[in-house]
Amino acid sequence: DTEVTQTPKHLVMGMTNKKSLKCEQHMGHRAMYWYKQKAKKPPELMFVYSYEKLSINESVPSRFSPECPNSSLLNLHLHALQPEDSALYLCASSQPPRSGAPYYGYTFGSGTRLTVV
Amino acid sequence: RKEVEQDPGPFNVPEGATVAFNCTYSNSASQSFFWYRQDCRKEPKLLMSVYSSGNEDGRFTAQLNRASQYISLLIRDSKLSDSATYLCVVNRATTDSWGKLQFGAGTQVVVTP
Repeated sequence: DTEVTQTPKHLVMGMTNKKSLKCEQHMGHRAMYWYKQKAKKPPELMFVYSYEKLSINESVPSRFSPECPNSSLLNLHLHALQPEDSALYLCASSQPPRSGAPYYGYTFGSGTRLTVV
Repeated sequence: RKEVEQDPGPFNVPEGATVAFNCTYSNSASQSFFWYRQDCRKEPKLLMSVYSSGNEDGRFTAQLNRASQYISLLIRDSKLSDSATYLCVVNRATTDSWGKLQFGAGTQVVVTP
């Protein structure tokens, strides 16, 4: 079982639909991330939230809109997507690194497999 | 040049054998290093962090060579369940980039009976 929970696990949506992906963690992590992964490719960073504030946006198109309502939740709102946006969307969380402290890496959720038709 | 490079494989390994593979990184400021494994259509899962002195976790041994900027993973006594893609992950962990893990494209390992 993963400690980062993503819903839904699968989503099929039309190009005119609006949908949301949800992510929840209860590990007390204060950094949360959205990644996109296409088949046979490594995950690509989309957004980073640190202490509930957006700290990194990797030039993601505005049809993807992240939201962090509190320290445990992360949403990704989707609108007017294209077929090429079909991918596995991964949420992850971690503690932000602190100077002199070891960095333990991310915990990933099991992902939402998105198909845009 | 990619920031993190891996041999994509596949490495075909007989059950019980040893397999090792490397990953090179280009940014000398990199601070944290990890191996993740990813099974087909699943999420990446942290296998182990890689420490400067090298570290071992059961059948898995990771090494870091900062001078040559590579990390390695060795799997002893391979099991069928070790078949997966192994992702090399590097983090610069500076103030402006701490959130940006750099992923290699992965090395595929196939353990055969």
